[in-house]
Amino acid sequence: SQQGEEDPQALSIQEGENATMNCSYKTSINNLQWYRQNSGRGLVHLILIRSNEREKHSGRLRVTLDTSKKSSSLLITASRAADTASYFCATYPSKGGKLIFGQGTELSVKP
Amino acid sequence: DGGITQSPKYLFRKEGQNVTLSCEQNLNHDAMYWYRQDPGQGLRLIYYSQIVNDFQKGDIAEGYSVSREKKESFPLTVTSAQKNPTAFYLCASSMGQANGYTFGSGTRLTVV
Repeated sequence: SQQGEEDPQALSIQEGENATMNCSYKTSINNLQWYRQNSGRGLVHLILIRSNEREKHSGRLRVTLDTSKKSSSLLITASRAADTASYFCATYPSKGGKLIFGQGTELSVKP
Repeated sequence: DGGITQSPKYLFRKEGQNVTLSCEQNLNHDAMYWYRQDPGQGLRLIYYSQIVNDFQKGDIAEGYSVSREKKESFPLTVTSAQKNPTAFYLCASSMGQANGYTFGSGTRLTVV
């Protein structure tokens, strides 16, 4: 069963706007990670947030984690056409095991 | 520069043929993984290895085999038993399972 589910499945915005993607999960986690995938390429690790952290920043990226709601959000501020990609959340369970990826959000940023 | 290299980028397989996908990393990572990605889908884990000479089945291991004879290398063989092998295959590595993964650029396998 899928641990992480992203919402929305697809998002289309204009350059300069902010993009927000959400991820929900079911079981308790050690950490949650966000990845970007450009079309036909491998995934690139963006940010890792641990279960005892609530917010993390990296450049134009802001990730929040609400363990009580079992959800996370990824905010990309002042989006650019180069941000067009699929974004995946992945959760690492508290009990260990393996990283579980969601289905992804396809972001399109129009110039 | 450290990284993870997958080859070939494109691979064509005839019916009943076994093919091997290469994955090499020079990051000194202990753990390595193989994922399958179908169009518009997320990643599904095929096999993973946490240490040399040891590997575990993932969620969709049937029809695939792996080896981990060296820390740097984790080749994946798609056997003739895999009935629907056409997909994008991604290899990844990490220092440990709870850390961020580094991915290769993928191999696109097509059955002809």
